[in-house]
Amino acid sequence: ILNVEQSPQSLHVQEGDSTNFTCSFPSSNFYALHWYRWETAKSPEALFVMTLNGDEKKKGRISATLNTKEGYSYLYIKGSQPEDSATYLCAFSMKTSYDKVIFGPGTSLSVIP
Amino acid sequence: NAGVTQTPKFQVLKTGQSMTLQCAQDMNHNSMYWYRQDPGMGLRLIYYSASEGTTDKGEVPNGYNVSRLNKREFSLRLESAAPSQTSVYFCASSEQGNNEKLFFGSGTQLSVL
Repeated sequence: ILNVEQSPQSLHVQEGDSTNFTCSFPSSNFYALHWYRWETAKSPEALFVMTLNGDEKKKGRISATLNTKEGYSYLYIKGSQPEDSATYLCAFSMKTSYDKVIFGPGTSLSVIP
Repeated sequence: NAGVTQTPKFQVLKTGQSMTLQCAQDMNHNSMYWYRQDPGMGLRLIYYSASEGTTDKGEVPNGYNVSRLNKREFSLRLESAAPSQTSVYFCASSEQGNNEKLFFGSGTQLSVL
C-alpha cells in the first residue's frame, strides 16, 4: 500500500505571508512526485512533476523541492495572495508501476486579505 | 482544444441502479485514470489504464468496472450503485514516461440515494 501524507491538513495565513507545506512518501522505488493546485469547484491543475533527488522547480511565487532519499517534498509560496487559496495535492508513483499515481489527502490553504 | 471531457456532469441514481461514466481525451495520451474525491482524503485512485487494452486496479476498485475502449476513451461503470459511491468522480490522462503531468476532466457529481 502506497502511503502519501501531507501536512498540515489546513493552513490560514495573512496576505503577504510566506508559507510551506510538506509531502512525505515511501523513499524506496521512487519514480516521480507531483504537485497540483485544486481550487474549489474546479479540477486539479499540475504545478510541478519532479523525478530527480535534489530537484527544485519554480513557477512564479511557488517553488518545490524534492528529497527522494528521505522521502519528502516541500512546496513553498512566497508572499501569499488571496488567489493562492486552494487545496494543494501531492502525488507519487513508483518505478515498478509508474502509471499508478497515488494522491495524498491535500493541504487546504486560505489566504486572508 | 477540449483536453479531457467527462460526461455526464451530474447524475442521481437510486441504490441498485447501474450507469457508465464516459471519459475521452484528445491529447494522444497513453495513460488514463479514474479518481474519486472523498472529504479529507483527497483523490483516491479507482482504476487506471497504462495503454489501450490494459487496465489495473487502484486503491478503491470494489464496485466498479472499467473499459479502455481505445486510446481516447476510458469508461467507468457502476453495476449496482450504493450510497457509499456518492462522490465526485474525476477522469485524468497523462503521458507517463514523458511529461508525467495528469490532466483532469471537469468531474462528474454522482449522488446515490
